[in-house]
Amino acid sequence: NAGVTQTPKFQVLKTGQSMTLQCAQDMNHEYMSWYRQDPGMGLRLIHYSVGAGITDQGEVPNGYNVSRSTTEDFPLRLLSAAPSQTSVYFCASSHPRLADYEQYFGPGTRLTVT
Amino acid sequence: AQSVTQPDIHITVSEGASLELRCNYSYGATPYLFWYVQSPGQGLQLLLKYFSGDTLVQGIKGFEAEFKRSQSSFNLRKPSVHWSDAAEYFCAVEGFSGSARQLTFGSGTQLTVLP
Repeated sequence: NAGVTQTPKFQVLKTGQSMTLQCAQDMNHEYMSWYRQDPGMGLRLIHYSVGAGITDQGEVPNGYNVSRSTTEDFPLRLLSAAPSQTSVYFCASSHPRLADYEQYFGPGTRLTVT
Repeated sequence: AQSVTQPDIHITVSEGASLELRCNYSYGATPYLFWYVQSPGQGLQLLLKYFSGDTLVQGIKGFEAEFKRSQSSFNLRKPSVHWSDAAEYFCAVEGFSGSARQLTFGSGTQLTVLP
């Protein structure tokens, strides 16, 4: 199993540009989520999905869109990039929402918005 | 709302010395608690977790953590640190808001290991 994969690893955008961060998992996990990591703030939940076709907002959803058309993929879209979205983005997946199931994290995407 | 405090931003220890990383949490119900480790440029790896039962939890790489409800703490310990333990460590508490698994992380403790 490849686990949770994320592409790209690094990205530089100009303010106002849009882009999609890709996340895929091959563990047949129902639950997937996106976090952003900023210095001194730990990780914060952006959006999450409990299964194909179902998504919802987390703690910091503004400026981001998600969709879940398949179990495997959970892309994160930046609609109009802003410097405040400079961050490291992590995708995670797990079996059901129960805490008994570990969340597996991808290696992250480092995004810089100039 | 749940929260996690890691009071030490940076800790330096010598190789072979013991280690304790502090974590305090705030959560209204029985907490699910985790410690993750992040090496530079890497994702997060789960070290250990506490759901219920024995308050002393054993994890990978020789780490352990003790849950103390009366102190709202979940400190991470290792009796003898190795140079490869240098990394950033995050404590987290998991709560549920609707169908969301809300993992709330502390701000992290950076560990430096001196030879």
